[in-house]
Amino acid sequence: AQKITQTQPGMFVQEKEAVTLDCTYDTSDQSYGLFWYKQPSSGEMIFLIYQGSYDEQNATEGRYSLNFQKARKSANLVISASQLGDSAMYFCAMRGPRGSTLGRLYFGRGTQLTVWP
Amino acid sequence: NAGVTQTPKFRILKIGQSMTLQCTQDMNHNYMYWYRQDPGMGLKLIYYSVGAGITDKGEVPNGYNVSRSTTEDFPLRLELAAPSQTSVYFCASSLAGGPGNEQFFGPGTRLTVL
Repeated sequence: AQKITQTQPGMFVQEKEAVTLDCTYDTSDQSYGLFWYKQPSSGEMIFLIYQGSYDEQNATEGRYSLNFQKARKSANLVISASQLGDSAMYFCAMRGPRGSTLGRLYFGRGTQLTVWP
Repeated sequence: NAGVTQTPKFRILKIGQSMTLQCTQDMNHNYMYWYRQDPGMGLKLIYYSVGAGITDKGEVPNGYNVSRSTTEDFPLRLELAAPSQTSVYFCASSLAGGPGNEQFFGPGTRLTVL
């Protein structure tokens, strides 16, 4: 079974500093995808970044990067140069191969990030 | 493209009432999903569909029903609403089911059952 664990219920970071949000996963599949979503207080789910299990390089999208350590089954999100608008709930999610899970996402419980000036 | 749209945005139901949450996508996606998000939790899968006429249960299907008569629409039906169904409901879609296919989410429906 797929499982996502986010052990940090809340994180605080000062504006312009970098912050790492932790995510570990458990799967027996060889092919899978890891996603991070941002959920601001308005409630929508905003896709941030994706890492495939066969990708050799860590994914980057602007100020977001994913520190992918396959042997440790971790997929930490790094936000550089934090901004006040980064304050939100962040979810790590995993998607398995097409045949086994039909594309559903498995979500962690989320980390509430607060950026202070 | 509007992407994934959901109606209504907010709804208050009385115990025992029924309602349908609407979900429409205009991206010609085959895969569609319904998730619920309880306070302080991640999203859990209620039902999913891999194409018109094909639906199946997720991990929390009790108290819900779905249908998929067209590619675009995937309504979620709540029968006999209960306080335990108070949650935020998200509809999502993706082109295919492989690991690299992004899921696009609707804005959510916030449902309260009193």
